[in-house]
Amino acid sequence: SAVISQKPSRDICQRGTSLTIQCQVDSQVTMMFWYRQQPGQSLTLIATANQGSEATYESGFVIDKFPISRPNLTFSTLTVSNMSPEDSSIYLCSVRTGLAGDAGELFFGEGSRLTVL
Amino acid sequence: GQNIDQPTEMTATEGAIVQINCTYQTSGFNGLFWYQQHAGEAPTFLSYNVLDGLEEKGRFSSFLSRSKGYSYLLLKELQMKDSASYLCAVMDSNYQLIWGAGTKLIIKP
Repeated sequence: SAVISQKPSRDICQRGTSLTIQCQVDSQVTMMFWYRQQPGQSLTLIATANQGSEATYESGFVIDKFPISRPNLTFSTLTVSNMSPEDSSIYLCSVRTGLAGDAGELFFGEGSRLTVL
Repeated sequence: GQNIDQPTEMTATEGAIVQINCTYQTSGFNGLFWYQQHAGEAPTFLSYNVLDGLEEKGRFSSFLSRSKGYSYLLLKELQMKDSASYLCAVMDSNYQLIWGAGTKLIIKP
């Protein structure tokens, strides 16, 4: 299993500003993911955070808007840049233990609830 | 395209049994997951099926039919704390998770 600490747990932000979300895992993991979950909707994968290389972004998400860092195997950050009200959402960090390509379960952080005014 | 379908909302009575269905169409299949998500909290893992059949884990069971692209989550002896959203997710041939929108389960006394 993995224990994930994510912060901030919630924040209220002004339009046009940027916010960085931190994700700390209690063990070294290969695969870290950033998800967005808008109210009443499914989880949407933003990107896979790769250690030592650039993140891999899903369709509809770009590095300029959601820059990601992954300096080591236990930590990652997601920045939501130049925020607008449409970015109001819960952002979730998750990890999958085991090898890449292993169909292991995902563990989630408690999420960061962002409200953009 | 890839698609996961599950009912938006279900209501059941405390002590009863409820079955939440999930149908899927994905490019390849490497297993199906069920997660529970209480309001305002992160999803937590419930079950994983990769072979056809029923997996039982206490009050919760999960069933898979790969030929039908179908799964269900069965919850027995419902308790008020089971009120939550239940998310179905399928891992495709690239080991990417495709998520359903979730089923909100309301338990009434």
